[in-house]
Amino acid sequence: DVKVTQSSRYLVKRTGEKVFLECVQDMDHENMFWYRQDPGLGLRLIYFSYDVKMKEKGDIPEGYSVSREKKERFSLILESASTNQTSMYLCASSLRGNSPLHFGNGTRLTVT
Amino acid sequence: KNEVEQSPQNLTAQEGEFITINCSYSVGISALHWLQQHPGGGIVSLFMLSSGKKKHGRLIATINIQEKHSSLHITASHPRDSAVYICAVRSPVIAGGTSYGKLTFGQGTILTVHP
Repeated sequence: DVKVTQSSRYLVKRTGEKVFLECVQDMDHENMFWYRQDPGLGLRLIYFSYDVKMKEKGDIPEGYSVSREKKERFSLILESASTNQTSMYLCASSLRGNSPLHFGNGTRLTVT
Repeated sequence: KNEVEQSPQNLTAQEGEFITINCSYSVGISALHWLQQHPGGGIVSLFMLSSGKKKHGRLIATINIQEKHSSLHITASHPRDSAVYICAVRSPVIAGGTSYGKLTFGQGTILTVHP
């Protein structure tokens, strides 16, 4: 079974801090995604990556950046955390363009 | 108007009841996914379909491409089916010379099944 692991389940950070959310997949998947999930808004795509060192903006990239230095790891960075970035963050991966997605368990981030 | 609309938003049922969750979409798609999210956050893929009908255990998913509509049915519902069910449509997108399927998600249906 594919395993997508997010480094933290719960995280509390202060406004202005730099925050790193890590995601690792163990099945050599090409594509990796970061979503945030908010009540009433569903899941929204922040960034995705289709290869090492390649990244594309999703629907809501503002305030975020990403890094993919190795195929198995995709990091989401909040350069200066703000309270409106309090959310559930979900990482996902897929083997290739139209393959099923596999999700991590999510990181619930609270910015105070 | 959202590109993917689910109904109902909340659904309460008694154990054993037949349940239907609906999903309508307004964009061209290559596939439609039904996902399940339990409390705590983890999301599991239930079905990926592009036509017709699929069945897995007590779960059945159908799609009508012409009508741009899909349904998820749960037969003989059980309290362990309580979860959020999410519909997502996959649209082909080209990025960096590679085709990938961008997912657009519905808001989810919160299902509670009482014993």
